[in-house]
Amino acid sequence: SQTIHQWPATLVQPVGSPLSLECTVEGTSNPNLYWYRQAAGRGLQLLFYSVGIGQISSEVPQNLSASRPQDRQFILSSKKLLLSDSGFYLCAWSVFLGYTFGSGTRLTVV
Amino acid sequence: AQTVTQSQPEMSVQEAETVTLSCTYDTSESDYYLFWYKQPPSRQMILVIRQEAYKQQNATENRFSVNFQKAAKSFSLKISDSQLGDAAMYFCAYRRTIQGAQKLVFGQGTRLTINP
Repeated sequence: SQTIHQWPATLVQPVGSPLSLECTVEGTSNPNLYWYRQAAGRGLQLLFYSVGIGQISSEVPQNLSASRPQDRQFILSSKKLLLSDSGFYLCAWSVFLGYTFGSGTRLTVV
Repeated sequence: AQTVTQSQPEMSVQEAETVTLSCTYDTSESDYYLFWYKQPPSRQMILVIRQEAYKQQNATENRFSVNFQKAAKSFSLKISDSQLGDAAMYFCAYRRTIQGAQKLVFGQGTRLTINP
């Protein structure tokens, strides 16, 4: 069966520090991968998506970047975190009609 | 651009009663998918129900059903025989396919409380 792993679950980082959130998918090949962010009390907003290795598309301008070094690995990064980067980050994958979310990372920038 | 609107920030219902959550969307596309997701306190996103726009028949999953009105661009969720475990944030979402990727556009969510 297909599973998606996302870590860490929670993270507290100082302003100006780097960020690396990782997401891996098992049980499927060539999935479409996504990073979403959820601000407090709001819906999810798509940040990045990838339809293949090395292919990254950005939905909104921001302080973050994404990379896909392997078929089933998707990484969200930042060189210098801002306070406004705080939020709940969810990785997801889709194949045909299926759309599955990871368990999320709660990021607090202090 | 596609937008999704949930006009009810909060709803409450007595256990075993029925509740309907509202959702409207805006699109110029004719082929798309609509979803309802549940987000409990764990914040895991759980798919509740899916509706294909080309299907006139409303989707049903056990106690959950939708009222899909394509012309009115309305997609409401009905929960019958509400249970305490139904308490959560509910998000309506529109899915569009662009360049091979399936993107979800979410509403702001409705917080559902179940009163025992």
